Amino acid sequence: GEDVEQSLFLSVREGDSSVINCTYTDSSSTYLYWYKQEPGAGLQLLTYIFSNMDMKQDQRLTVLLNKKDKHLSLRIADTQTGDSAIYFCAERDYNAGNMLTFGGGTRLMVKP
Amino acid sequence: NAGVTQTPKFQVLKTGQSMTLQCAQDMNHNSMYWYRQDPGMGLRLIYYSASEGTTDKGEVPNGYNVSRLNKREFSLRLESAAPSQTSVYFCASSEAPQDADFGAGTRLSVL
Repeated sequence: GEDVEQSLFLSVREGDSSVINCTYTDSSSTYLYWYKQEPGAGLQLLTYIFSNMDMKQDQRLTVLLNKKDKHLSLRIADTQTGDSAIYFCAERDYNAGNMLTFGGGTRLMVKP
Repeated sequence: NAGVTQTPKFQVLKTGQSMTLQCAQDMNHNSMYWYRQDPGMGLRLIYYSASEGTTDKGEVPNGYNVSRLNKREFSLRLESAAPSQTSVYFCASSEAPQDADFGAGTRLSVL
């Protein structure tokens, strides 16, 4: 089945850039997503990218997709303490009933 | 517009008890999903409903049943709760790829 992998933890200083990485195995993925989860809360959709795109930028967020290597990254510019959360990447496969498959999440800690 | 609403927010059960988790969405989405979240494992799909009147198994369906009562509501039932079902449960709904909305979650403990 599909597999989505992320590193568990990332620590950065306030004002630096954060890069969260994700790898996936399903070559038929159509959309790839980044979600943010703050403590005790549900998942908030941050951004998504269609599989025929290489890059998408949305304010401080930049998503890079390398289809050949099946690698997705999320760059957060000028990281703030409010960005501290768990970040999940996910892929959607329309050939598998629109199911979303999630990675295990990366906990981002931003130090003042 | 409340989005996706889950009830209850917290629940403690004894092994063998049954309960139903409720989910409702007011965005007229066709697809609805139930996930469970366990530490370090991300979210795993339990069941989904691509449209009203249809339900399908996800990755971890054992021990659960679902009902798509109407377009708005999708419930998850635990017939005989087990400690392995202690988790945080999320309901989600979707119409287009960018419209994957999640509820706030139900924190379930089975003793």
